[in-house]
Amino acid sequence: DTEVTQTPKHLVMGMTNKKSLKCEQHMGHRAMYWYKQKAKKPPELMFVYSYEKLSINESVPSRFSPECPNSSLLNLHLHALQPEDSALYLCASSQTLSVYGYTFGSGTRLTVV
Amino acid sequence: AQSVTQLDSHVSVSEGTPVLLRCNYSSSYSPSLFWYVQHPNKGLQLLLKYTSAATLVKGINGFEAEFKKSETSFHLTKPSAHMSDAAEYFCVVTEAPTGTYKYIFGTGTRLKVLA
Repeated sequence: DTEVTQTPKHLVMGMTNKKSLKCEQHMGHRAMYWYKQKAKKPPELMFVYSYEKLSINESVPSRFSPECPNSSLLNLHLHALQPEDSALYLCASSQTLSVYGYTFGSGTRLTVV
Repeated sequence: AQSVTQLDSHVSVSEGTPVLLRCNYSSSYSPSLFWYVQHPNKGLQLLLKYTSAATLVKGINGFEAEFKKSETSFHLTKPSAHMSDAAEYFCVVTEAPTGTYKYIFGTGTRLKVLA
């Protein structure tokens, strides 16, 4: 298995809702990442997990809450989002915090109404 | 600090003609460089990577890139464009393992392939 699987592919949520994005990989990778990508822009790093521990939070608002329950799974919990949070959310993984290439998932397209 | 510049925001080529997407980087240490492709509403797919081995790197789908340290460039080429190559392409730089692990993305080049 050489894939990063993200679910759901599309999500529409209201500003008072609570929802979660899920990311799963079975490649034995120990580093996992959340990126946010707005239209016609490059991805922006949000969070980095290394060996299930949060390594980096790029000053992301607390309405985004990451969780890494095990080495294969990464969640992003969403609460009280704003319309400007609408974007493509990408998950990625790599063997470790190395420079030898990430594997990206296909993303979750989030719309906040 | 490292940075990457994609010199063209849009490139149009005719099907069957060569593709050249330009990328220049800045790095204090030995960089690792990557090209990713993103089709509309899709994730990013790794095309190829340079990590201090051969300077001419071959990737998937007929793409290749040459690392030129003297020019601080890592341009992406393909001899003959196909309609399916139409997508957004990102050049990425990151430093050697003893440095930061963060990807630095270029702003992207949108490739259009004309029939």
